Amino acid sequence: DQQVKQNSPSLSVQEGRISILNCDYTNSMFDYFLWYKKYPAEGPTFLISISSIKDKNEDGRFTVFLNKSAKHLSLHIVPSQPGDSAVYFCAASYGNYGQNFVFGPGTRLSVLP
Amino acid sequence: EPEVTQTPSHQVTQMGQEVILRCVPISNHLYFYWYRQILGQKVEFLVSFYNNEISEKSEIFDDQFSVERPDGSNFTLKIRSTKLEDSAMYFCASQDRAGNQPQHFGDGTRLSIL
Repeated sequence: DQQVKQNSPSLSVQEGRISILNCDYTNSMFDYFLWYKKYPAEGPTFLISISSIKDKNEDGRFTVFLNKSAKHLSLHIVPSQPGDSAVYFCAASYGNYGQNFVFGPGTRLSVLP
Repeated sequence: EPEVTQTPSHQVTQMGQEVILRCVPISNHLYFYWYRQILGQKVEFLVSFYNNEISEKSEIFDDQFSVERPDGSNFTLKIRSTKLEDSAMYFCASQDRAGNQPQHFGDGTRLSIL
């Protein structure tokens, strides 16, 4: 049951360039989407989120785009920095009350100096 | 910045033994969660907890699992009789209110069943 998919297990990008991480979902009930970053031996750290009423949300170097008709979201990191090297998880949920998050399998981003 | 803390960071237990994983959520948060991540697999939802009762649980969260908030600060996950397949990272998360809000995660407990 892969409701949230991240089809690229890994991505390498040169420092200073744009990193684009992609996520697809199948459940049209999802109405809230998040990106988390995870370093080894640490828990997921919240990065940025977007609700289904929007198609874009920006926070500094991070922008999330949502295309509801395609059931697709992406995370853009500009400019990429070596400290951004981590595993990035896309997550989705629906409902307003104590909702659980459904996570994708993650994409390992390596930013090369 | 407030954070979710989990103890221990690593727990090694014999199969069939009981184990309790502990979490201290962020102090003003009201919603609490446990997730697990088996090595090489996705982060999976186990259970959510609000107002001293379970709100939702997954198929993984069977009768061997229980959660408790024994006082105003701790949130625990108990596995009654551990199995080899319970070996995983267990993450606790908390959320300050309902609605579209992020959950904040602890650094996890690595549970190894021998």
